[in-house]
Amino acid sequence: QVQLVQSGAEVKKPGASVKVSCEASGYTFTSYGISWVRQAPGQGLEWMGRISIYNGNTNYVQKLQGRVTMTTDTSTSTAYMELRSLRSDDTAVYYCARERKIGAAYRWFDSWGQGTLVTVSS
Amino acid sequence: QSVLTQPPSASGTPGQRVTISCSGSSSNIGSKTVSWYQQLPGTAPKLLIYSNNQRPSGVPDRFSGSKSGTSASLAISGLQSEDEADYYCAAWDDSLSVYWVFGGGTKLTVL
Repeated sequence: QVQLVQSGAEVKKPGASVKVSCEASGYTFTSYGISWVRQAPGQGLEWMGRISIYNGNTNYVQKLQGRVTMTTDTSTSTAYMELRSLRSDDTAVYYCARERKIGAAYRWFDSWGQGTLVTVSS
Repeated sequence: QSVLTQPPSASGTPGQRVTISCSGSSSNIGSKTVSWYQQLPGTAPKLLIYSNNQRPSGVPDRFSGSKSGTSASLAISGLQSEDEADYYCAAWDDSLSVYWVFGGGTKLTVL
């Protein structure tokens, strides 16, 4: 079955960087995109960006442009999300999610990682 | 401020039917399909409804979705205590530099 397994919790100081991994199994990794979604404590879901595994194309939410980079390693079926210049308001649970797509209008997230807590604190 | 608008809370008693609304615009719900996610406390979101009204295998038929114009709804019939969770709607958005948008989430309480 489809599984997305993320790396463990991280504690970082303001200004540092964090890199979260998401290892996929149970499907052809290059056939689906991966999005990253974060959730601050007690808050809702916030889409951060996505990467097309097939061609490496990325789209990022404007507020994170310049601080976030999404990459993949197809040899290990792993997606990565790196966030730099961390601030206290980046404290959140970070999720990877597999994106299903049929044409331009039919899209959804059909599988999610378990989440990675990133705490930014001095 | 979320792009998609959901009521922050909803409630019902066991056996009742509840609906949760999700309002958007022509660049998202109006032209793209809606999906719904259930997030139980302390867990990752789980797909509940996709393509406006389709249920993945394993999701009980007590859950149903609909869409009309720029709004969508999630209905839960025969409410059960284990349905107490946060529910989020989501859609792709065609606006410049915006791709995926979520609702702010609705906390469902089973009284």
